[in-house]
Amino acid sequence: DQQVKQNSPSLSVQEGRISILNCDYTNSMFDYFLWYKKYPAEGPTFLISISSIKDKNEDGRFTVFLNKSAKHLSLHIVPSQPGDSAVYFCAASALSNYQLIWGAGTKLIIKP
Amino acid sequence: DAGVIQSPRHEVTEMGQEVTLRCKPISGHDYLFWYRQTMMRGLELLIYFNNNVPIDDSGMPEDRFSAKMPNASFSTLKIQPSEPRDSAVYFCASSLRQGPDEQFFGPGTRLTVL
Repeated sequence: DQQVKQNSPSLSVQEGRISILNCDYTNSMFDYFLWYKKYPAEGPTFLISISSIKDKNEDGRFTVFLNKSAKHLSLHIVPSQPGDSAVYFCAASALSNYQLIWGAGTKLIIKP
Repeated sequence: DAGVIQSPRHEVTEMGQEVTLRCKPISGHDYLFWYRQTMMRGLELLIYFNNNVPIDDSGMPEDRFSAKMPNASFSTLKIQPSEPRDSAVYFCASSLRQGPDEQFFGPGTRLTVL
């Protein structure tokens, strides 16, 4: 049973436009969410996180939105740049359990 | 800091052979995680340690898999005997604090079992 779902395996966006990556979760105990970026032949690197006490967290071009009632979060990248082309993973955790539960990833392609 | 270091980066072996993957976490990090990534199952947590003690190994697929952390700066993941279905990329990650926190990943070891 997938507790964290990224339903779009890939997404193609024009350079300069907004990229929106989506993530849904089923476990209402999750209260901390993270986004990671992964380039080929490298390990995932942390991008941005959000706690369930917030509904938005912003870091430069990256903003994560959390909708707890819908059990949905999204990552917005504005403006999208060629270096943003990577696989993006959504991960979730509950304070009572240290493990991160990972989504399957979305491959973002930024077109010039 | 050099980040999380894994070796080897690539390993090709024959079915039945023993495979040992190595990881050096970031100094001062109390948590160490071993993950496996495959096309079919994505990123799976195999086992994690806190202060060198295994906390949860429920993700270890079979008894053929074992992991140790003899000290704070070194961990191994061993597969004995290896099988073709073990072919995957194995990542090691470490983190600093208790509770959900960002994990720092190594570059991974790509294992191919023929």
